[in-house]
Amino acid sequence: EAQVTQNPRYLITVTGKKLTVTCSQNMNHEYMSWYRQDPGLGLRQIYYSMNVEVTDKGDVPEGYKVSRKEKRNFPLILESPSPNQTSLYFCASSYRGDQYGYTFGSGTRLTVV
Amino acid sequence: AQSVTQPDIHITVSEGASLELRCNYSYGATPYLFWYVQSPGQGLQLLLKYFSGDTLVQGIKGFEAEFKRSQSSFNLRKPSVHWSDAAEYFCAVFRGGGKLIFGQGTELSVKP
Repeated sequence: EAQVTQNPRYLITVTGKKLTVTCSQNMNHEYMSWYRQDPGLGLRQIYYSMNVEVTDKGDVPEGYKVSRKEKRNFPLILESPSPNQTSLYFCASSYRGDQYGYTFGSGTRLTVV
Repeated sequence: AQSVTQPDIHITVSEGASLELRCNYSYGATPYLFWYVQSPGQGLQLLLKYFSGDTLVQGIKGFEAEFKRSQSSFNLRKPSVHWSDAAEYFCAVFRGGGKLIFGQGTELSVKP
């Protein structure tokens, strides 16, 4: 089945403890992206990648890192999480952007205490 | 700045009634426009998209949307709403490269 897989689905962590949320897609898509969703703010793009080793900042990149060493994987790294990063995170992938849109994963609910 | 606005935060309609969700975009070039739906506790599912051609596009689950360049709008419609349509709906515009920008979302409630 074609899909975007994120892990974990739920995560509670403490301030300052580094964490990684994994994302993998099996559709051979060129583009991948991370979003965070907060009430009243919709989805805001954190980072995106248009190809292996090519990443760029979205609208809210502060406090996050990404890497794209393989086409199928696009992990999101929080080096020193803070409570304001408590949110619902979505990974997404796209064949080539533009009219293809993004296919979304099921989400990771992160709580930083 | 290029952006997407959904003026209605929350809409309630009766089951069987028609539905229209509003979306306005700000973008200089011909936009690639999308509507997504998010059911409670779920990820986002693509309902439909517009990128060229016929300005009335059909999507899944009986939804359609009309692109109106003169009004910078891409409103979502459904002739008869079902209780299972209760969800949050997001309009989005592709801004070039990998940037897909979302509106704030409209939450739809359906009265029996």
